[in-house]
Amino acid sequence: AQSVTQLGSHVSVSEGALVLLRCNYSSSVPPYLFWYVQYPNQGLQLLLKYTSAATLVKGINGFEAEFKKSETSFHLTKPSAHMSDAAEYFCAVSGSNAGKSTFGDGTTLTVKP
Amino acid sequence: DAGITQSPRHKVTETGTPVTLRCHQTENHRYMYWYRQDPGHGLRLIHYSYGVKDTDKGEVSDGYSVSRSKTEDFLLTLESATSSQTSVYFCAISESGGRGYEQYFGPGTRLTVT
Repeated sequence: AQSVTQLGSHVSVSEGALVLLRCNYSSSVPPYLFWYVQYPNQGLQLLLKYTSAATLVKGINGFEAEFKKSETSFHLTKPSAHMSDAAEYFCAVSGSNAGKSTFGDGTTLTVKP
Repeated sequence: DAGITQSPRHKVTETGTPVTLRCHQTENHRYMYWYRQDPGHGLRLIHYSYGVKDTDKGEVSDGYSVSRSKTEDFLLTLESATSSQTSVYFCAISESGGRGYEQYFGPGTRLTVT
């Protein structure tokens, strides 16, 4: 069984500040982890994924995430927030059956000018 | 962008009426999924398909049925819509059922049941 917990349903940062969105997972098998982003009135799109190759994963739009097995975490970071980063972000863990993923509840990122 | 369309994009219907949502893909991906998105609940899997005529239930399948008669189309039916089924519905596709494969999402259908 898998589960994902996203800490903080809302995060607000100033433009240019560090973005940190937290994700902790639980998985009975070695996890495959994803971050997706959803802009208003759109579907989700993949930011990055961890598939056991490198623990530091780089994604699109300057985002990256680090897999830490000891902490069961996969936090998403970006050094400098941009107004266009305002969106909802979802962490997901892939199950072992039919490619099904379990999604976290999401974190809404607000970027203040 | 992955070629996924959903129709209709918006629908208002009355309690007790049947509703069918359509997902169409042009990627020839084998796996297709239906999710619902509600505030504070993230995305929850309703049903999924792993091939033509091959479907299975997700975590919130009660009150929903699906059909897949062609690779490119995956239909979600609410047999008798209830207000609790007011939600945004997303279709997703995946190239493989392997664990490392991401999903590609459609633009969503906003359904309101009055």
